[in-house]
Amino acid sequence: DADVTQTPRNRITKTGKRIMLECSQTKGHDRMYWYRQDPGLGLRLIYYSFDVKDINKGEISDGYSVSRQAQAKFSLSLESAIPNQTALYFCATSDWKEGYTFGSGTRLTVV
Amino acid sequence: DAKTTQPTSMDCAEGRAANLPCNHSTISGNEYVYWYRQIHSQGPQYIIHGLKNNETNEMASLIITEDRKSSTLILPHATLRDTAVYYCIVRVATGTASKLTFGTGTRLQVTL
Repeated sequence: DADVTQTPRNRITKTGKRIMLECSQTKGHDRMYWYRQDPGLGLRLIYYSFDVKDINKGEISDGYSVSRQAQAKFSLSLESAIPNQTALYFCATSDWKEGYTFGSGTRLTVV
Repeated sequence: DAKTTQPTSMDCAEGRAANLPCNHSTISGNEYVYWYRQIHSQGPQYIIHGLKNNETNEMASLIITEDRKSSTLILPHATLRDTAVYYCIVRVATGTASKLTFGTGTRLQVTL
């Protein structure tokens, strides 16, 4: 099993629908992150969490919310999806010694 | 976090060393230099990091200048599988500021 697992891998949804992207990890790391990537660009931070009781906004948090259900689980929600949220979404965990570990990504298309 | 400047793209012949430069002239004393790479649309992969000493691991070497204003990632014997976008990132190690901020990176193309 992968260290960081994202579900679903691909999703097509309609404008206005609520959608949740899930992330789970087996690394035992306290820190978890959600990034989005648009074509030809680097990753941009949406939200991050340094432990179960800690949630912080990143540079592009508008239109998104997160929930840290447990140390190993960090989900990202789009309350009302819009087409410009079409992107590749990555979850990551981090530890000082090991650096960041990223999941394989979720490709989201909003039509 | 300090900003970094990298060339947009580079080419390298297979079997040769790939030297990827990064400028970080505004780096602070407590900021580390990290390198990640992203192959196609996969999740970025950690390569190496360092503070001021040169570092080497099984994947690459990291050379940091004495004034810490620039660094070079070296892939000693590039293969086709090293074709990827390479990101140079500087960040503090701990605390709320220790999150990764990605730029657009260097697209390395390894050719036969």
